[in-house]
Amino acid sequence: EDQVTQSPEALRLQEGESSSLNCSYTVSGLRGLFWYRQDPGKGPEFLFTLYSAGEEKEKERLKATLTKKESFLHITAPKPEDSATYLCAVQGVEDSNYQLIWGAGTKLIIKP
Amino acid sequence: DGGITQSPKYLFRKEGQNVTLSCEQNLNHDAMYWYRQDPGQGLRLIYYSQIVNDFQKGDIAEGYSVSREKKESFPLTVTSAQKNPTAFYLCASSIDSVTGAIQETQYFGPGTRLLVL
Repeated sequence: EDQVTQSPEALRLQEGESSSLNCSYTVSGLRGLFWYRQDPGKGPEFLFTLYSAGEEKEKERLKATLTKKESFLHITAPKPEDSATYLCAVQGVEDSNYQLIWGAGTKLIIKP
Repeated sequence: DGGITQSPKYLFRKEGQNVTLSCEQNLNHDAMYWYRQDPGQGLRLIYYSQIVNDFQKGDIAEGYSVSREKKESFPLTVTSAQKNPTAFYLCASSIDSVTGAIQETQYFGPGTRLLVL
């Protein structure tokens, strides 16, 4: 059964303190791994799609990396506005065309 | 501006009542989705639609119904059969994956929070 586990559940950092969020996945074969940011009471905002091990993508202070078993979302010198819940989702080759398997998210809090 | 709109932002349901959540997109996307989000859990798929006049059940379709009469619109009805409807409901859309060759990125609306009176 395809599965996604995100860790930690919550992470508190000081402004400027770099860290990483983890997304571990189990799928028969990976079609794509997606990262989203969600602010309280709002819909998820798309960040990145990764398709194959070794792939990396960057956007401002965020960098996503992918291995065969997990993905990391690295946050460099974060600011308070980076506080949000970060969601990870995967699609396996045996899933239907539209089925994404979602993790429960990591709540990131950046203190000024 | 292109995007996905959901209304209302908050919805209150009385016991035994059916309520309908609206989702409209002007992105010209073919596929649309409804998800339910509960605290501490990942998003769960309720229904999805690839084309007009066609839709498929997701993992938790019981107690819900949908229609897709127009490409731009995908309303969700929460029926009285759904005994635990309190949740945050998210609508999403993606370009086109009819061929199934790749997974298109899904883009989300702002959500509707449903509460039971």
